[in-house]
Amino acid sequence: DAGVIQSPRHEVTEMGQEVTLRCKPISGHDYLFWYRQTMMRGLELLIYFNNNVPIDDSGMPEDRFSAKMPNASFSTLKIQPSEPRDSAVYFCASSSTEGEQFFGPGTRLTVL
Amino acid sequence: RKEVEQDPGPFNVPEGATVAFNCTYSNSASQSFFWYRQDCRKEPKLLMSVYSSGNEDGRFTAQLNRASQYISLLIRDSKLSDSATYLCVVNMRGSTDKLIFGTGTRLQVFP
Repeated sequence: DAGVIQSPRHEVTEMGQEVTLRCKPISGHDYLFWYRQTMMRGLELLIYFNNNVPIDDSGMPEDRFSAKMPNASFSTLKIQPSEPRDSAVYFCASSSTEGEQFFGPGTRLTVL
Repeated sequence: RKEVEQDPGPFNVPEGATVAFNCTYSNSASQSFFWYRQDCRKEPKLLMSVYSSGNEDGRFTAQLNRASQYISLLIRDSKLSDSATYLCVVNMRGSTDKLIFGTGTRLQVFP
């Protein structure tokens, strides 16, 4: 079975541009998580969904960040407008109820 | 105070050595504990869960001390392939779904 799939794997953009990150969770998993990892702050939870419904978005840093999960097999994280301080690796993870979280390979975002 | 604290290291040890990492957590109501491993430029992967009675998986032993709110990971007979960052993870208060990750302890095993 395929693991969690994320795209793009790398994204370089200029400040002010819109960035959309995509995630396909493992089939059958009902939880989906978006994380951000930086050297300074480590791995931070941004938002998570259960059965496509956002449960907790308290980690979303600002209104510039938004996330959607229109169906069980797809989620997006959007940053608009992007800023240099948004540069980080963004991970998507999925899990079944109370199960192990499986991470995708991440999207390395650089905002110039 | 951070919710999960770890010594960032790096721990530089020779092959065959025994090395131990500790991690402290601030939420006394935390119920789930894990060690994840993250290789350079890769995603985190579950290494092992940590149970109250302690648990062992081959060369790896994890222990939990609820009274002192710390978790430990012991690696015996270190291999070059053990070189990675080890992340201490606990669940958040009131939710078994949300995990809080420590910033990780970096281990480098040399020949």
